Amino acid sequence: RKEVEQDPGPFNVPEGATVAFNCTYSNSASQSFFWYRQDCRKEPKLLMSVYSSGNEDGRFTAQLNRASQYISLLIRDSKLSDSATYLCVVIPNTGGFKTIFGAGTRLFVKA
Amino acid sequence: DTGVSQDPRHKITKRGQNVTFRCDPISEHNRLYWYRQTLGQGPEFLTYFQNEAQLEKSRLLSDRFSAERPKGSFSTLEIQRTEQGDSAMYLCASSLAGEAFFGQGTRLTVV
Repeated sequence: RKEVEQDPGPFNVPEGATVAFNCTYSNSASQSFFWYRQDCRKEPKLLMSVYSSGNEDGRFTAQLNRASQYISLLIRDSKLSDSATYLCVVIPNTGGFKTIFGAGTRLFVKA
Repeated sequence: DTGVSQDPRHKITKRGQNVTFRCDPISEHNRLYWYRQTLGQGPEFLTYFQNEAQLEKSRLLSDRFSAERPKGSFSTLEIQRTEQGDSAMYLCASSLAGEAFFGQGTRLTVV
């Protein structure tokens, strides 16, 4: 089993739609979680951290479910500019700070 | 520019040649990571350093790959006797606590 798993998509949604991605992780003692965004042929960039209590940043909401070992990202009112690959990131509690990326979920927002 | 910088941005090499890439992290960051990314995949963890110590190395990293961070600042990744399967984007990231910040990557093409 991969340490971090995501549905690769692609998700094709119209502008204004709400879309949600899930990501599962295998190490139950994982300590930190993030969502990154990666545009085509660009480096990944931090979108938001994921806190135990959940967090929201504008149209984006991230949640953590430790019992089921998954994190989620919800995007409301999708914009064309949201088209990108969304990478789930986990720092497992292995005594260090090795940072593991999922394979990414591709999102296409269409007019 | 105080972000993570990588050099070169692009490298084309013949199979069997050795190549070396450099990464300069954000200056106060003590952790430095190397990843490899191929088309349609997320970044695959290769290795990471805390200061000058290489704390973990992926099984993906064969004996032909070596990374150093001699003074705990910049790092180099060397690939010996390159193979066509080494063609990929090599990403470097650095962090202090939590999220990692990426450089723009070195795109390697082995012909």
